[in-house]
Amino acid sequence: DVKVTQSSRYLVKRTGEKVFLECVQDMDHENMFWYRQDPGLGLRLIYFSYDVKMKEKGDIPEGYSVSREKKERFSLILESASTNQTSMYLCASSSLTGSDSPLHFGNGTRLTVT
Amino acid sequence: DQQVKQNSPSLSVQEGRISILNCDYTNSMFDYFLWYKKYPAEGPTFLISISSIKDKNEDGRFTVFLNKSAKHLSLHIVPSQPGDSAVYFCAASRGSGGYNKLIFGAGTRLAVHP
Repeated sequence: DVKVTQSSRYLVKRTGEKVFLECVQDMDHENMFWYRQDPGLGLRLIYFSYDVKMKEKGDIPEGYSVSREKKERFSLILESASTNQTSMYLCASSSLTGSDSPLHFGNGTRLTVT
Repeated sequence: DQQVKQNSPSLSVQEGRISILNCDYTNSMFDYFLWYKKYPAEGPTFLISISSIKDKNEDGRFTVFLNKSAKHLSLHIVPSQPGDSAVYFCAASRGSGGYNKLIFGAGTRLAVHP
Protein backbone atom coordinates (compact mmCIF):
# COMPACT_ATOMS: atom_id res chain seq x y z
CA ASP A 1 0.00 0.00 0.00
CA VAL A 2 1.14 3.48 -0.85
CA LYS A 3 1.80 5.59 2.16
CA VAL A 4 1.86 9.37 2.04
CA THR A 5 2.81 10.86 5.38
CA GLN A 6 2.35 14.46 6.39
CA SER A 7 4.48 15.41 9.35
CA SER A 8 1.85 17.35 11.31
CA ARG A 9 -1.90 16.83 11.73
CA TYR A 10 -2.49 20.24 13.32
CA LEU A 11 -0.45 23.44 13.26
CA VAL A 12 -1.15 26.86 14.74
CA LYS A 13 1.03 29.70 13.52
CA ARG A 14 1.05 33.47 13.84
CA THR A 15 0.64 35.92 10.98
CA GLY A 16 3.98 36.64 9.35
CA GLU A 17 5.66 33.41 10.44
CA LYS A 18 7.44 31.17 7.94
CA VAL A 19 5.73 27.79 7.85
CA PHE A 20 6.99 24.48 6.53
CA LEU A 21 4.65 21.60 5.73
CA GLU A 22 6.42 18.33 5.07
CA CYS A 23 5.29 15.34 3.05
CA VAL A 24 6.97 12.00 2.46
CA GLN A 25 5.86 9.12 0.22
CA ASP A 26 7.26 5.60 0.24
CA MET A 27 6.31 4.25 -3.20
CA ASP A 28 9.02 5.85 -5.33
CA HIS A 29 6.41 7.96 -7.10
CA GLU A 30 7.65 10.54 -9.57
CA ASN A 31 4.84 13.04 -9.04
CA MET A 32 3.90 14.92 -5.90
CA PHE A 33 1.20 17.50 -5.32
CA TRP A 34 0.03 20.00 -2.71
CA TYR A 35 -3.68 20.84 -2.48
CA ARG A 36 -5.67 22.89 -0.05
CA GLN A 37 -9.22 22.03 0.88
CA ASP A 38 -11.72 24.72 1.85
CA PRO A 39 -15.49 24.43 2.43
CA GLY A 40 -17.46 25.09 -0.72
CA LEU A 41 -14.30 25.19 -2.86
CA GLY A 42 -13.18 21.58 -2.81
CA LEU A 43 -9.52 20.76 -3.40
CA ARG A 44 -7.42 23.34 -5.21
CA LEU A 45 -3.95 22.64 -6.56
CA ILE A 46 -1.17 24.84 -5.16
CA TYR A 47 2.02 23.34 -6.64
CA PHE A 48 3.17 20.05 -8.09
CA SER A 49 6.40 18.38 -9.03
CA TYR A 50 7.22 15.74 -11.65
CA ASP A 51 10.77 15.13 -10.57
CA VAL A 52 13.45 16.05 -8.09
CA LYS A 53 14.27 19.74 -8.08
CA MET A 54 11.48 20.62 -10.45
CA LYS A 55 8.22 22.35 -9.65
CA GLU A 56 5.19 23.68 -11.45
CA LYS A 57 2.60 26.20 -10.31
CA GLY A 58 -0.90 24.96 -9.80
CA ASP A 59 -4.05 27.05 -9.75
CA ILE A 60 -3.40 29.03 -6.56
CA PRO A 61 0.39 29.35 -6.03
CA GLU A 62 0.40 32.90 -4.64
CA GLY A 63 1.90 33.09 -1.17
CA TYR A 64 3.44 29.60 -1.39
CA SER A 65 6.64 27.99 -2.55
CA VAL A 66 7.81 24.37 -2.63
CA SER A 67 10.97 22.35 -2.39
CA ARG A 68 11.76 18.90 -3.72
CA GLU A 69 15.35 17.98 -2.94
CA LYS A 70 14.68 14.24 -2.74
CA LYS A 71 12.26 12.11 -4.70
CA GLU A 72 10.31 10.98 -1.66
CA ARG A 73 9.92 14.39 -0.02
CA PHE A 74 7.91 17.44 -1.07
CA SER A 75 7.74 20.49 1.17
CA LEU A 76 5.26 23.35 1.05
CA ILE A 77 6.51 26.68 2.36
CA LEU A 78 4.46 29.66 3.42
CA GLU A 79 7.00 32.48 3.36
CA SER A 80 4.90 34.82 5.51
CA ALA A 81 1.73 33.17 6.78
CA SER A 82 -1.53 35.09 6.53
CA THR A 83 -4.96 34.39 8.00
CA ASN A 84 -6.38 33.55 4.56
CA GLN A 85 -3.99 30.61 4.44
CA THR A 86 -5.87 28.93 7.28
CA SER A 87 -6.95 25.68 5.63
CA MET A 88 -6.58 21.93 5.36
CA TYR A 89 -3.49 21.09 3.33
CA LEU A 90 -3.31 17.77 1.51
CA CYS A 91 -0.25 16.22 -0.04
CA ALA A 92 -0.57 13.56 -2.75
CA SER A 93 1.65 11.44 -4.95
CA SER A 94 1.26 9.43 -8.14
CA SER A 95 3.31 7.35 -10.52
CA LEU A 96 3.92 8.49 -14.08
CA THR A 97 1.81 5.75 -15.58
CA GLY A 98 -0.80 5.33 -12.87
CA SER A 99 -4.22 5.60 -14.44
CA ASP A 100 -7.00 4.14 -12.34
CA SER A 101 -5.83 5.79 -9.17
CA PRO A 102 -3.59 8.66 -10.10
CA LEU A 103 -3.47 10.30 -6.68
CA HIS A 104 -2.71 8.87 -3.25
CA PHE A 105 -3.33 11.36 -0.47
CA GLY A 106 -1.91 11.90 2.99
CA ASN A 107 -4.22 12.53 5.93
CA GLY A 108 -3.82 16.27 5.78
CA THR A 109 -2.45 19.08 7.93
CA ARG A 110 -4.94 21.50 9.38
CA LEU A 111 -3.18 24.86 9.58
CA THR A 112 -4.58 27.76 11.58
CA VAL A 113 -2.98 31.18 11.17
CA THR A 114 -3.88 33.65 13.90
CA ASP B 1 -14.48 29.85 -12.60
CA GLN B 2 -15.05 26.31 -11.41
CA GLN B 3 -14.53 23.80 -14.17
CA VAL B 4 -15.96 20.94 -12.11
CA LYS B 5 -19.16 21.61 -10.18
CA GLN B 6 -21.00 19.62 -7.57
CA ASN B 7 -24.12 21.64 -6.99
CA SER B 8 -25.47 19.66 -4.04
CA PRO B 9 -23.45 20.30 -0.89
CA SER B 10 -25.25 17.53 0.96
CA LEU B 11 -27.44 14.48 0.45
CA SER B 12 -29.31 12.35 2.97
CA VAL B 13 -30.37 8.80 2.08
CA GLN B 14 -31.90 5.92 3.97
CA GLU B 15 -29.86 2.75 4.36
CA GLY B 16 -30.58 0.27 1.58
CA ARG B 17 -31.75 2.91 -0.89
CA ILE B 18 -29.87 4.34 -3.86
CA SER B 19 -27.57 7.35 -3.45
CA ILE B 20 -27.05 9.48 -6.56
CA LEU B 21 -24.31 12.09 -6.52
CA ASN B 22 -24.05 14.47 -9.45
CA CYS B 23 -21.22 16.37 -11.08
CA ASP B 24 -21.07 18.78 -14.02
CA TYR B 25 -18.02 20.01 -15.91
CA THR B 26 -17.43 22.80 -18.37
CA ASN B 27 -14.15 21.91 -20.06
CA SER B 28 -14.77 19.68 -23.07
CA MET B 29 -11.07 18.74 -23.10
CA PHE B 30 -11.50 16.63 -19.95
CA ASP B 31 -11.40 12.99 -20.88
CA TYR B 32 -10.93 11.17 -17.60
CA PHE B 33 -13.14 11.40 -14.54
CA LEU B 34 -12.81 10.09 -11.02
CA TRP B 35 -14.66 9.96 -7.73
CA TYR B 36 -12.88 10.21 -4.41
CA LYS B 37 -14.33 9.60 -0.97
CA LYS B 38 -13.18 11.41 2.15
CA TYR B 39 -13.81 10.59 5.78
CA PRO B 40 -13.17 13.23 8.48
CA ALA B 41 -9.50 13.48 9.52
CA GLU B 42 -8.39 11.35 6.57
CA GLY B 43 -7.17 12.11 3.09
CA PRO B 44 -9.39 11.41 0.06
CA THR B 45 -9.27 7.86 -1.26
CA PHE B 46 -9.93 6.78 -4.81
CA LEU B 47 -13.31 5.16 -5.44
CA ILE B 48 -13.99 4.71 -9.15
CA SER B 49 -13.09 6.27 -12.50
CA ILE B 50 -14.32 6.44 -16.07
CA SER B 51 -12.74 7.30 -19.38
CA SER B 52 -14.61 9.52 -21.81
CA ILE B 53 -14.77 6.67 -24.32
CA LYS B 54 -17.19 4.90 -22.00
CA ASP B 55 -20.58 5.87 -20.64
CA LYS B 56 -20.68 3.54 -17.66
CA ASN B 57 -18.28 1.87 -15.28
CA GLU B 58 -19.31 -0.43 -12.47
CA ASP B 59 -17.47 -1.70 -9.41
CA GLY B 60 -19.56 -3.59 -6.91
CA ARG B 61 -22.12 -1.26 -5.36
CA PHE B 62 -20.65 1.76 -7.18
CA THR B 63 -21.48 2.79 -10.74
CA VAL B 64 -20.39 5.93 -12.52
CA PHE B 65 -22.34 7.20 -15.53
CA LEU B 66 -20.97 9.71 -18.02
CA ASN B 67 -23.06 11.84 -20.37
CA LYS B 68 -20.54 13.67 -22.54
CA SER B 69 -23.07 15.67 -24.50
CA ALA B 70 -24.46 17.09 -21.26
CA LYS B 71 -21.03 17.30 -19.63
CA HIS B 72 -22.47 15.46 -16.68
CA LEU B 73 -21.50 12.48 -14.61
CA SER B 74 -23.11 10.77 -11.68
CA LEU B 75 -22.15 8.24 -9.04
CA HIS B 76 -24.73 5.68 -7.99
CA ILE B 77 -24.36 3.71 -4.77
CA VAL B 78 -26.70 0.76 -4.42
CA PRO B 79 -27.53 -0.26 -1.77
CA SER B 80 -26.35 2.58 0.42
CA GLN B 81 -24.78 1.66 3.75
CA PRO B 82 -24.05 3.78 6.85
CA GLY B 83 -20.32 3.32 6.19
CA ASP B 84 -20.78 5.21 2.92
CA SER B 85 -21.38 8.41 4.89
CA ALA B 86 -18.53 10.68 3.78
CA VAL B 87 -17.74 13.60 1.50
CA TYR B 88 -17.54 12.62 -2.16
CA PHE B 89 -15.40 14.60 -4.59
CA CYS B 90 -15.73 14.47 -8.34
CA ALA B 91 -12.51 15.13 -10.28
CA ALA B 92 -11.53 15.48 -13.93
CA SER B 93 -8.35 15.54 -15.97
CA ARG B 94 -7.04 15.59 -19.50
CA GLY B 95 -5.67 12.10 -19.91
CA SER B 96 -5.43 9.25 -17.47
CA GLY B 97 -1.74 9.27 -16.69
CA GLY B 98 -0.56 9.88 -13.16
CA TYR B 99 1.21 13.03 -14.25
CA ASN B 100 -2.05 14.74 -15.14
CA LYS B 101 -3.47 17.43 -12.89
CA LEU B 102 -6.83 16.67 -11.35
CA ILE B 103 -9.45 19.41 -11.05
CA PHE B 104 -11.82 18.77 -8.16
CA GLY B 105 -15.37 19.78 -7.43
CA ALA B 106 -16.46 21.25 -4.10
CA GLY B 107 -17.71 17.92 -2.77
CA THR B 108 -21.05 16.47 -1.64
CA ARG B 109 -21.54 15.29 1.93
CA LEU B 110 -23.51 12.04 1.93
CA ALA B 111 -25.29 10.91 5.08
CA VAL B 112 -26.76 7.40 5.09
CA HIS B 113 -29.08 6.87 8.01
CA PRO B 114 -30.59 3.61 9.29
